[in-house]
Amino acid sequence: GAVVSQHPSRVICKSGTSVKIECRSLDFQATTMFWYRQFPKQSLMLMATSNEGSKATYEQGVEKDKFLINHASLTLSTLTVTSAHPEDSSFYICSARDPRRGYGYTFGSGTRLTVV
Amino acid sequence: AQSVTQLGSHVSVSEGALVLLRCNYSSSVPPYLFWYVQYPNQGLQLLLKYTTGATLVKGINGFEAEFKKSETSFHLTKPSAHMSDAAEYFCAVSGGRDDKIIFGKGTRLHILP
Repeated sequence: GAVVSQHPSRVICKSGTSVKIECRSLDFQATTMFWYRQFPKQSLMLMATSNEGSKATYEQGVEKDKFLINHASLTLSTLTVTSAHPEDSSFYICSARDPRRGYGYTFGSGTRLTVV
Repeated sequence: AQSVTQLGSHVSVSEGALVLLRCNYSSSVPPYLFWYVQYPNQGLQLLLKYTTGATLVKGINGFEAEFKKSETSFHLTKPSAHMSDAAEYFCAVSGGRDDKIIFGKGTRLHILP
């Protein structure tokens, strides 16, 4: 149980285009999901907290107009990287907590974004 | 606010030797503490977590960690290292059940044959 599916696992896009990454909780409902970004050989940096039915809460320094987050249902949150640039290339990971299982979050398998 | 400091970005141990990965935290509220493992180009897997209660927490793959409030530490140990333990390990802290998780910078564990 407590499976989080992230799609796509890898994506290559051209500069200036937009890319959407999906995060789904497969067997539970998640009112809150988190989006992280990880640069090579570095830690996970929290980008934003995605709340179902309301606006996401962004961490300081994260451009909310560039990284659009939509949490339209209790099982799906999406992160859209708009007008992508090479510096947006990174590993993006989502996580969600299954409220039935107490504490601890389940993470998706991540999305490797490469902007060329 | 919460933060985590992991001492040592790289740790090397011989196969069969004790593994010790250090983590110190800072939290303005009683912390929830986690250790995660990450293999290359993969997501994170929870090794163990401390929320309340017993301060010695046992996790998967033979790992355990002890919450020491007086030392603000949550070090990860394993009595005998295995080659398959080579990975990146992240200590993390949360301010509560529904709070965001903040990660340390990670420690790369190398296992020497």
